[in-house]
Amino acid sequence: GQSLEQPSEVTAVEGAIVQINCTYQTSGFYGLSWYQQHDGGAPTFLSYNALDGLEETGRFSSFLSRSDSYGYLLLQELQMKDSASYFCAVRVFNTDKLIFGTGTRLQVFP
Amino acid sequence: SQTIHQWPATLVQPVGSPLSLECTVEGTSNPNLYWYRQAAGRGLQLLFYSVGIGQISSEVPQNLSASRPQDRQFILSSKKLLLSDSGFYLCACPGLGGDEQFFGPGTRLTVL
Repeated sequence: GQSLEQPSEVTAVEGAIVQINCTYQTSGFYGLSWYQQHDGGAPTFLSYNALDGLEETGRFSSFLSRSDSYGYLLLQELQMKDSASYFCAVRVFNTDKLIFGTGTRLQVFP
Repeated sequence: SQTIHQWPATLVQPVGSPLSLECTVEGTSNPNLYWYRQAAGRGLQLLFYSVGIGQISSEVPQNLSASRPQDRQFILSSKKLLLSDSGFYLCACPGLGGDEQFFGPGTRLTVL
């Protein structure tokens, strides 16, 4: 089966940089995605890595290494509004299913 | 752009009662549609997905069912709710960018 593991919680202060890791065991997938979810809200899409390497979108960057079965989301210049849960996800080969990671709760302190 | 409507937004139901949650999608045609459940403080569990009218795939055995009577309508049902059915139910479809999943606002269900 497929599984994606993330740290349960990460804390940081405003202005800092934080990295949220995602390690996975899956037989094959199209790419690694990241989603943000604020308390009480729905997940929203942040980024997608189809290929190995770094993708940058403003303050957020995402990285994928298929050979290491590993990816991460990097958040720079943290703001209070970045406090949320973050999920990695993969779309499994030959399916239309998206499998989500266990989720990481990020708390940003002033 | 896409819009997903879900109702009701919140629901409190007694154990053993029936359930019907509705999801409708605008701004896209013949989308794949998905139902997820999220228990408090947990990740998202895929319950059902549909690639077209009347076509439903179930991911986990449970007392829930899904139906897709129209192209842009996806319904989640139960004949008798269990306490373990409590959670945040999210309907989703592929995003317009192709790589992402777009979620509706969700229904928060509490079974007492």
